[in-house]
Amino acid sequence: DAGVTQSPTHLIKTRGQQVTLRCSPKSGHDTVSWYQQALGQGPQFIFQYYEEEERQRGNFPDRFSGHQFPNYSSELNVNALLLGDSALYLCASSLSADVYEQYFGPGTRLTVT
Amino acid sequence: RKEVEQDPGPFNVPEGATVAFNCTYSNSASQSFFWYRQDCRKEPKLLMSVYSSGNEDGRFTAQLNRASQYISLLIRDSKLSDSATYLCVVRTWRDDKIIFGKGTRLHILP
Repeated sequence: DAGVTQSPTHLIKTRGQQVTLRCSPKSGHDTVSWYQQALGQGPQFIFQYYEEEERQRGNFPDRFSGHQFPNYSSELNVNALLLGDSALYLCASSLSADVYEQYFGPGTRLTVT
Repeated sequence: RKEVEQDPGPFNVPEGATVAFNCTYSNSASQSFFWYRQDCRKEPKLLMSVYSSGNEDGRFTAQLNRASQYISLLIRDSKLSDSATYLCVVRTWRDDKIIFGKGTRLHILP
């Protein structure tokens, strides 16, 4: 049973560029959440997708957007990258939007230079 | 006051000892609580949910104190493999916010 998978593993981008990160949820899960984790910090909630719609959003600017596909996989897009966007981006899936136990993928480490 | 606060540590504890750490939360509407474990450069993994009556899973015991707004994690007979960062997670039903603490680093010493 595959767990949560994310791609790519690492990414280096230049300030001002755009990036797309991808996530496939654990089998049987239909809800995907995205988090940003800076070094030495806890994960910060970006947004959650359920039934292909953004259900909840944390305190992140509109440069951060996402999408969920019919197969429940999801993408996180970040536009106009800033140096401060360098972080580990984690995707987590859960059985449904009302189930609070989440399972995390290994993350994508984004470096903005 | 931060919404979720944890002592960052590190807690340096000899193998076999008992260690406990707390997590305080500021929003009294918080309804769901969890402990996650995160190894260095790895993803967080769910350790246990925290129930109102307290719960135990092997060497791990989680407690919730709603009056004082904190949750605790107790690890008995600590093992070298328990070395990790422990993240406290609080979720509110009303606005469905999910908030992680910064984590407490635990080092088990041989």
